[in-house]
Amino acid sequence: KAGVTQTPRYLIKTRGQQVTLSCSPISGHRSVSWYQQTPGQGLQFLFEYFSETQRNKGNFPGRFSGRQFSNSRSEMNVSTLELGDSALYLCASSFLPPGQGAYEQYFGPGTRLTVT
Amino acid sequence: GQQVMQIPQYQHVQEGEDFTTYCNSSTTLSNIQWYKQRPGGHPVFLIQLVKSGEVKKQKRLTFQFGEAKKNSSLHITATQTTDVGTYFCAGRGGADGLTFGKGTHLIIQP
Repeated sequence: KAGVTQTPRYLIKTRGQQVTLSCSPISGHRSVSWYQQTPGQGLQFLFEYFSETQRNKGNFPGRFSGRQFSNSRSEMNVSTLELGDSALYLCASSFLPPGQGAYEQYFGPGTRLTVT
Repeated sequence: GQQVMQIPQYQHVQEGEDFTTYCNSSTTLSNIQWYKQRPGGHPVFLIQLVKSGEVKKQKRLTFQFGEAKKNSSLHITATQTTDVGTYFCAGRGGADGLTFGKGTHLIIQP
């Protein structure tokens, strides 16, 4: 089985622009979660989706949004980019719904976003 | 909101020595997970603990979940160079999303 894929792998944007990141989960997985990883704050939960429904949302401003499509692929969008949004954005997929059973998450390689 | 503290932040060991990282949550957790991230890589799931007082072993790795379900530990016996990386715990409290600790960076000197 192919792993979790994320596109693009690297991105450079200017402050004030918006960006859309994409995540394709492992085939058959219907849960997708997004995380922001920075050296200072570590891994921070953004949101998670199951069957096109947002199940949980982390403590991020409304500039961060996401969605999941019927084929389980997910996108996250960040509007009005700030310098502090520079980070590695990781997507993870799981077979089970959030919080149920052995909720083993498989992470993608991430998208490295640099805001200048 | 829920906070997960992890210590130490860095741990230097000689190859062959043991290593332990500790995780403490501000709230009771429904489960706790452990991940390993190699330098330049992405987190890889190691294990999930669900029951109070649970202990699980994977070869040289031993994972424990506290009786109160608020703390956990990962112990590696006789470290090897392949153990290098950052070890994260991640807790879920009820219906919330996963909260990750900031990780322990394991550095091994041959």
